[in-house]
Amino acid sequence: DAEITQSPRHKITETGRQVTLACHQTWNHNNMFWYRQDLGHGLRLIHYSYGVQDTNKGEVSDGYSVSRSNTEDLPLTLESAASSQTSVYFCASSEAGGKGTEAFFGQGTRLTVV
Amino acid sequence: GNSVTQMEGPVTLSEEAFLTINCTYTATGYPSLFWYVQYPGEGLQLLLKATKADDKGSNKGFEATYRKETTSFHLEKGSVQVSDSAVYFCARADSNYQLIWGAGTKLIIKP
Repeated sequence: DAEITQSPRHKITETGRQVTLACHQTWNHNNMFWYRQDLGHGLRLIHYSYGVQDTNKGEVSDGYSVSRSNTEDLPLTLESAASSQTSVYFCASSEAGGKGTEAFFGQGTRLTVV
Repeated sequence: GNSVTQMEGPVTLSEEAFLTINCTYTATGYPSLFWYVQYPGEGLQLLLKATKADDKGSNKGFEATYRKETTSFHLEKGSVQVSDSAVYFCARADSNYQLIWGAGTKLIIKP
């Protein structure tokens, strides 16, 4: 069965370190998204991609970057981790086009910056 | 602006009670509307959706009707179970096929 997986599931890092969260999907979806989930804020979009070599900033992109070198993967990098980036991160993917396009989510990565 | 507003939680109900979680949206045109559910420790999964006005989405006993007159997509279930305890998110599609999310409503069902 097709799926979307995130790794690691839990990560503790120190302030100032570079951290990369992995996201891998086997749906062959063109669209991929990274969100963070914080109490009182719901889901906020960090970055997204509509295909290989395409990346775009979301509403909370500062301090984060992504790259899309193939269809399956969209790694999220925190260049210099800050305590404000302690959060739960979700990756999602969807097919290109279509009004009722469903997004499929990974199980999340809980990141703690100390 | 373009937003999705859903009722604040937590919503606490007894088993077999009737559930309504309100959701309203602002948008130009008639975007697709979704309800997602997040069980503890898991990612979000699609619960139901509606792609045009007056459509009714349904799944697992939950229903929501796309009401263009009131720009609403309220989630309902006639008889909730303890296993329905989760966080529910309302969302709408935007012109770029992204999703605009509500803040989520935590539902707690007591036996």
